[in-house]
Amino acid sequence: NAGVTQTPKFRILKIGQSMTLQCTQDMNHNYMYWYRQDPGMGLKLIYYSVGAGITDKGEVPNGYNVSRSTTEDFPLRLELAAPSQTSVYFCASSLVNIRTIRVGGYTFGSGTRLTVV
Amino acid sequence: ELKVEQNPLFLSMQEGKNYTIYCNYSTTSDRLYWYRQDPGKSLESLFVLLSNGAVKQEGRLMASLDTKARLSTLHITAAVHDLSATYFCAVDISTGGTSYGKLTFGQGTILTVHP
Repeated sequence: NAGVTQTPKFRILKIGQSMTLQCTQDMNHNYMYWYRQDPGMGLKLIYYSVGAGITDKGEVPNGYNVSRSTTEDFPLRLELAAPSQTSVYFCASSLVNIRTIRVGGYTFGSGTRLTVV
Repeated sequence: ELKVEQNPLFLSMQEGKNYTIYCNYSTTSDRLYWYRQDPGKSLESLFVLLSNGAVKQEGRLMASLDTKARLSTLHITAAVHDLSATYFCAVDISTGGTSYGKLTFGQGTILTVHP
């Protein structure tokens, strides 16, 4: 049981380049999230998804896009990378009771450390 | 807008001493999480507090939740070096069923335990 798997673990991008951070989970969780963590700070929500085909913005969505074509995968796309996007990115998933909207525990991936130069 | 504030942000402790980390939040919630993060690592779940008055203990750590005061505490008893890490609290505002489990994190408390 792999849990939440993120790739790559490290990446250096030049300003203006684009890339996709991959996230996949094998727990059949319905909700998935992308957070970023800047040095010395807590995590901030970028985007989230409540199921395949449904995504919505979090607190800091500018400069990012997401898609959720399957339950398992939730890639994060960076277009026109900027130095302000230098951060550690964490993907997470949770199992939410649709009837009560009660969230089970969260599982976090190991993170992707991105540097934009 | 939900705000989550931890204090202290930095905590230097001697082994064997006790201390408490505080987590205040600004909006009604009945669900609070504590996480541990080691340098360069992901987040490790410590506690999930689901109701007013909830208290959970694991080893030298004990967490509590007072939803009326909008306050959670993480108490450290007889600290040991292995507890050195960054500790985050995170609040879920799903009470009304509209936030879909989105977490708002505190800034984190960097704990260093030295001999």
